[in-house]
Amino acid sequence: EAGVTQFPSHSVIEKGQTVTLRCDPISGHDNLYWYRRVMGKEIKFLLHFVKESKQDESGMPNNRFLAERTGGTYSTLKVQPAELEDSGVYFCASSPPGQGPYRRELFFGEGSRLTVL
Amino acid sequence: ILNVEQSPQSLHVQEGDSTNFTCSFPSSNFYALHWYRWETAKSPEALFVMTLNGDEKKKGRISATLNTKEGYSYLYIKGSQPEDSATYLCAPPMDSNYQLIWGAGTKLIIKP
Repeated sequence: EAGVTQFPSHSVIEKGQTVTLRCDPISGHDNLYWYRRVMGKEIKFLLHFVKESKQDESGMPNNRFLAERTGGTYSTLKVQPAELEDSGVYFCASSPPGQGPYRRELFFGEGSRLTVL
Repeated sequence: ILNVEQSPQSLHVQEGDSTNFTCSFPSSNFYALHWYRWETAKSPEALFVMTLNGDEKKKGRISATLNTKEGYSYLYIKGSQPEDSATYLCAPPMDSNYQLIWGAGTKLIIKP
């Protein structure tokens, strides 16, 4: 069974440009999460989808970030325009339906490293 | 403020030695504690989900204990091997939507 895949693995862009990150969750996993880790710091929650609906977007830092999950399959996270402080590793994770909300085991992708110059 | 602290930040251990490290979290409104293992250039992987005070979980040479009253969990590794080198992350689900609040991790390096 394929795991969570993320693309690109690394992106280097200039301040003011746009980047779109993609996540393909494990098939059948209704829950999809986006997280970000700035170097040396904690992983921070960004957003949670259940199927195609945004269940919780309380972690999205500002309106330069837009996440979509059309059709409830893969998801994209767009940063437009990118700023220096957006640099970090963006992780996607998925979890199957049916687990209790606080017991969900997350299956992570390897992350997309974003460098904004 | 929801604060999850992990100590030490990094740890060098001789191969064959046993080691342990700590995760501290607010003890109020406790639901569960998750431990993840994250090897460099790979995906974080779930180790344990713990829910009950006094809980002890084990997976091979790795075990964890939980004290919900005082707000801490210990992760133990017995007879460390090079493949145990990784960052170990703990995360309790603590906000109103049960989203995981992550510690900064303990980076474990096993010296052969």
